[in-house]
Amino acid sequence: AQSVTQPDIHITVSEGASLELRCNYSYGATPYLFWYVQSPGQGLQLLLKYFSGDTLVQGIKGFEAEFKRSQSSFNLRKPSVHWSDAAEYFCAVLDITGGGNKLTFGTGTQLKVEL
Amino acid sequence: NAGVTQTPKFRVLKTGQSMTLLCAQDMNHEYMYWYRQDPGMGLRLIHYSVGEGTTAKGEVPDGYNVSRLKKQNFLLGLESAAPSQTSVYFCASSYGKGSGSPGELFFGEGSRLTVL
Repeated sequence: AQSVTQPDIHITVSEGASLELRCNYSYGATPYLFWYVQSPGQGLQLLLKYFSGDTLVQGIKGFEAEFKRSQSSFNLRKPSVHWSDAAEYFCAVLDITGGGNKLTFGTGTQLKVEL
Repeated sequence: NAGVTQTPKFRVLKTGQSMTLLCAQDMNHEYMYWYRQDPGMGLRLIHYSVGEGTTAKGEVPDGYNVSRLKKQNFLLGLESAAPSQTSVYFCASSYGKGSGSPGELFFGEGSRLTVL
């Protein structure tokens, strides 16, 4: 069965510093991968997605992620973090077995931004 | 532009009581989902639906039932609530088969349920 691991539960960065959130996946075939963001008290919002092709994908709010098949990773990056980026971030892999385009989520990484 | 709307947003139940969470979407999406979110466990899929009149079990379906009588609505029921069902519940919807963007889910703002 597919799975997603986010090894960092909490990360704190200073505003203006660069950010990298780690994500490792386990999936038998070519994965469809996603990053979602959850602001406090809100639902999740899609940041970016990888289906195929270019392994570096761009998303909203200045985020990008790189798919590395050899490392089974899909890490999220941002060159310069803003205070408004403080949120919880979830990596996910798509499961199309049995229909329904279901997402399996990681356990999330809580990002704190110090001013 | 409502998107996905969940009601109620907060609810406190006693053990053994029943309740229904309602999810409504106005995007004509084919697929709908119910997830629960617990600290340190991410989101786990409870049930999902690939169209009106269909439902299927997800990862953690025990203790829950669902119905999709209308395309725009997806109901999650707890017949006999237990403290282990204290959680934040999220409904989501997406385009169906053949979508150019599978896995792009649109989420509601969540329903916080406490079972005493």
